[in-house]
Amino acid sequence: EAGVTQFPSHSVIEKGQTVTLRCDPISGHDNLYWYRRVMGKEIKFLLHFVKESKQDESGMPNNRFLAERTGGTYSTLKVQPAELEDSGVYFCASSPGQFYGYTFGSGTRLTVV
Amino acid sequence: TQLLEQSPQFLSIQEGENLTVYCNSSSVFSSLQWYRQEPGEGPVLLVTVVTGGEVKKLKRLTFQFGDARKDSSLHITAAQPGDTGLYLCAGFMIKAAGNKLTFGGGTRVLVKP
Repeated sequence: EAGVTQFPSHSVIEKGQTVTLRCDPISGHDNLYWYRRVMGKEIKFLLHFVKESKQDESGMPNNRFLAERTGGTYSTLKVQPAELEDSGVYFCASSPGQFYGYTFGSGTRLTVV
Repeated sequence: TQLLEQSPQFLSIQEGENLTVYCNSSSVFSSLQWYRQEPGEGPVLLVTVVTGGEVKKLKRLTFQFGDARKDSSLHITAAQPGDTGLYLCAGFMIKAAGNKLTFGGGTRVLVKP
């Protein structure tokens, strides 16, 4: 079974630019999550999809972040415009149901300069 | 202030020694998970504990969930260099809105040959 795939693995952009991160969950996993780890901090929740619907987006930092999950398959997380404090590692995870263990992707390391 | 406090933050031991990592909170969790993360990869689920007082064993790793479901520990017996990595605890909080994991800050373990 293919795991959770994230693209790109690394991205370096200038402040003010736009970046789009992509996540392909495990096929059949209705639950998809985005998490972020900024330098020196713990991994923090951003949002949760159930199929194509946003179940919980309480962790999104501000309106510069937009997440979508078209057709309940892959998901994108767009940051526009990027700020320096957005730098960090963005993880995507999926699970087959509530309160199951998550399968994480390898993450996208975003650096805003 | 982190909801889940892990200690120690860093642990360096010799091969063959035992080690214990602690995960503590003032909040009650419906379940708690332990993950291990290698550089450049996402966290990988090791175990989920659900019942207060539960003990689970995974080869040389022993996981315990506190009776009050506020704390957990991971004990590694006769550690090997392959056990080196970042160990993360994460919990689902009772009565929390939404379905999301809260992560501790992690314990970085180095096992020297």
